[in-house]
Amino acid sequence: QQPVQSPQAVILREGEDAVINCSSSKALYSVHWYRQKHGEAPVFLMILLKGGEQKGHEKISASFNEKKQQSSLYLTASQLSYSGTYFCGTQRYQGAQKLVFGQGTRLTINP
Amino acid sequence: NAGVTQTPKFQVLKTGQSMTLQCAQDMNHEYMSWYRQDPGMGLRLIHYSVGAGITDQGEVPNGYNVSRSTTEDFPLRLLSAAPSQTSVYFCASTQEPSLETQYFGPGTRLLVL
Repeated sequence: QQPVQSPQAVILREGEDAVINCSSSKALYSVHWYRQKHGEAPVFLMILLKGGEQKGHEKISASFNEKKQQSSLYLTASQLSYSGTYFCGTQRYQGAQKLVFGQGTRLTINP
Repeated sequence: NAGVTQTPKFQVLKTGQSMTLQCAQDMNHEYMSWYRQDPGMGLRLIHYSVGAGITDQGEVPNGYNVSRSTTEDFPLRLLSAAPSQTSVYFCASTQEPSLETQYFGPGTRLLVL
């Protein structure tokens, strides 16, 4: 079942902060975050694992609430380069061979 | 390293035609997958493979076939194209069993008339 992302779109000025949420109705083992710039392929940002382990991007942080099956991506002091569509991908259990992606959140950063 | 490559970049088909979308990677990754991306729908998994000779269905496999005869190549075949298959198709690969750090190809934009 596809996770739900919110908001669907957000517009910021450079330097502002943003939070993107990803919610699932099912228990999760991991949440993966990707960013896709217009006309390009998605690029891996980070993974959050059940138990608290987090691996990925230096300047972007995220949290994973296992009990609520939710993850949030925090973009602080946003830069123009942060513009794009952000996707969360969820893995139901350890060893699951599928990622189910949300519908995406479009982030626009204006000067 | 070229990473993940896909051909063609763009294709127009008529309803009922068949074609093969090519995907290759030079990173010796065991896991490869095909996604389709439609507006407002995100990325939906079509088929995936955990190694040569092993494939399985994803969320939306109907109308598509795959095979994996080598580690490097993972072609996606459309058996009889339909307008509903108009989409952007991405191939991805990773070496990680956790599926982290999937590397995506540049995509193939398919239009079915």
